[in-house]
Amino acid sequence: GENVEQHPSTLSVQEGDSAVIKCTYSDSASNYFPWYKQELGKRPQLIIDIRSNVGEKKDQRIAVTLNKTAKHFSLHITETQPEDSAVYFCAAGIPTFGRGTSLIVHP
Amino acid sequence: GAVVSQHPSRVICKSGTSVKIECRSLDFQATTMFWYRQFPKQSLMLMATSNEGSKATYEQGVEKDKFLINHASLTLSTLTVTSAHPEDSSFYICSALTGTAQNTEAFFGQGTRLTVV
Repeated sequence: GENVEQHPSTLSVQEGDSAVIKCTYSDSASNYFPWYKQELGKRPQLIIDIRSNVGEKKDQRIAVTLNKTAKHFSLHITETQPEDSAVYFCAAGIPTFGRGTSLIVHP
Repeated sequence: GAVVSQHPSRVICKSGTSVKIECRSLDFQATTMFWYRQFPKQSLMLMATSNEGSKATYEQGVEKDKFLINHASLTLSTLTVTSAHPEDSSFYICSALTGTAQNTEAFFGQGTRLTVV
């Protein structure tokens, strides 16, 4: 089955800085890569996704890049704000998730 | 987006009793639903895949006789934790797929915080 590795497990940044979270996957047949944001005790919310036919997708301060050859994809958050603080999960296909990254944005 | 409703949001039960958790897709039909378990500060671990009208597929290490899954309709899947023990205390969350094979998205229920005392 699919195996997803996510790094880093914790990321601490100052407000306004950029944050990058990286994931690798094992199944070359995977073609859908969503990213979820989960606040404490709440359900994961889809924030952005990318499919294998594109290499990059952007939505305001959030962007995702995909390298199918290397089987890795990344989440980029620019101009981080304290409300971006949460746990972020990547997934390859559905339903395999990475271990999660706890993002802390310091005011 | 699509709505998935999970009930109850919190439940406290005595050791040895059973607890049923419901997962409903409110505005779409879901032939496939997933059940996850999440421990504090950890990722969502897939427990089983629930398929409407057929037996659930369990992940390795998940006891199918302990975690009973029923997906009797296109909008409802249930997870029953049988003979619950304190180590079963966790956050359980379901998700349902919607869309086509080329454009599939998963939506999550609110999650159920189970505490076994």
